Amino acid sequence: EAGVTQSPTHLIKTRGQQATLRCSPISGHTSVYWYQQALGLGLQFLLWYDEGEERNRGNFPPRFSGRQFPNYSSELNVNALELEDSALYLCASSLTVLEAFFGQGTRLTVV
Amino acid sequence: DAKTTQPPSMDCAEGRAANLPCNHSTISGNEYVYWYRQIHSQGPQYIIHGLKNNETNEMASLIITEDRKSSTLILPHATLRDTAVYYCIVRVPNNNDMRFGAGTRLTVKP
Repeated sequence: EAGVTQSPTHLIKTRGQQATLRCSPISGHTSVYWYQQALGLGLQFLLWYDEGEERNRGNFPPRFSGRQFPNYSSELNVNALELEDSALYLCASSLTVLEAFFGQGTRLTVV
Repeated sequence: DAKTTQPPSMDCAEGRAANLPCNHSTISGNEYVYWYRQIHSQGPQYIIHGLKNNETNEMASLIITEDRKSSTLILPHATLRDTAVYYCIVRVPNNNDMRFGAGTRLTVKP
């Protein structure tokens, strides 16, 4: 069974541009979580999608947004990129009471 | 905000048991305790979870106090590959998001 897959693995953008990160959950999982992890820091909760709807978001500005598609895959969009947005972005999926599984992340570098 | 408190770091000798504590004094009756670990910026890996009873799997054991206000993750025979940041989380499954605290950086030494 395939795990959570994220693409691209690495992404380099210029300040002010937009970045789109993608996540494919484990088959059958309906919840997707997004996290930001800056270098050397902990995981900061960004967004939680379940059954196609945004259930909650963390303390991030509106330029961080996303969506979940009917097949439960998800996109994270970051507009007007700033240097401080450089981080590892992690996606996780889960189903009901089971544990969440994480992808290997997308490393976004803003220059 | 994370609802758990963990020591920032711990050391353990290879082959010995590693006991990682977690305080969750405000845990509610329907919240589970989950443990994950993250090895050097890889995606976090699920370890174990529990509600009331102690749990054991091939990776670890989870001991939850009777009042559920704290728990301990036990790695029975720590190896160098167990060096990682360990996170304790409490949540109602699928009813809210997962908030990670700073975790405990466990270093297993030869």
